[in-house]
Amino acid sequence: NAGVTQTPKFRVLKTGQSMTLLCAQDMNHEYMYWYRQDPGMGLRLIHYSVGEGTTAKGEVPDGYNVSRLKKQNFLLGLESAAPSQTSVYFCASSYILGQGYTEAFFGQGTRLTVV
Amino acid sequence: KNEVEQSPQNLTAQEGEFITINCSYSVGISALHWLQQHPGGGIVSLFMLSSGKKKHGRLIATINIQEKHSSLHITASHPRDSAVYICAVRDSNYQLIWGAGTKLIIKP
Repeated sequence: NAGVTQTPKFRVLKTGQSMTLLCAQDMNHEYMYWYRQDPGMGLRLIHYSVGEGTTAKGEVPDGYNVSRLKKQNFLLGLESAAPSQTSVYFCASSYILGQGYTEAFFGQGTRLTVV
Repeated sequence: KNEVEQSPQNLTAQEGEFITINCSYSVGISALHWLQQHPGGGIVSLFMLSSGKKKHGRLIATINIQEKHSSLHITASHPRDSAVYICAVRDSNYQLIWGAGTKLIIKP
């Protein structure tokens, strides 16, 4: 049971390049999330998914796209990277218990630098 | 005004001290999470609370739903407890709203 796995762990991109971050979970969770964390700020939600085939925008979705073709995978894409997207990206997953209580499990993070 | 506020923002203490980190929120919630972010960046979920109190080792978390307040306590603090502690609440739409974190440094 690996939990939540993010790949890659580090990446340096040039402005305008594209890339995809992969998040995989083996806990059969319905909910998956992508956050970014910037210095001095809390985590901000980029996009999330409440189930296979569904995605929704979070707080800071611009410049990102996501896909949830399989329940266990949640992909975050940057079509044309910008220096403002330099950040640490965290993926998380959760399940529903009873009346909406959820436990959150996090990946180790991806440190992305856009130059 | 942030919907989730933590205090203090920074805390430095000596090894062995009793530590308290506070979290106040202004929205209706279904649950509150305390998480720990290590200097290397990884995030670990410590507690999920909807009422009362939970204890795990030297960590204790309490929540008062009426006062919209939660506290995280660390007893017999140790340098390895040095980390950022984050409070996050889950609102009625199942979204997490994050506090800015409390950076804790425990000196030997």
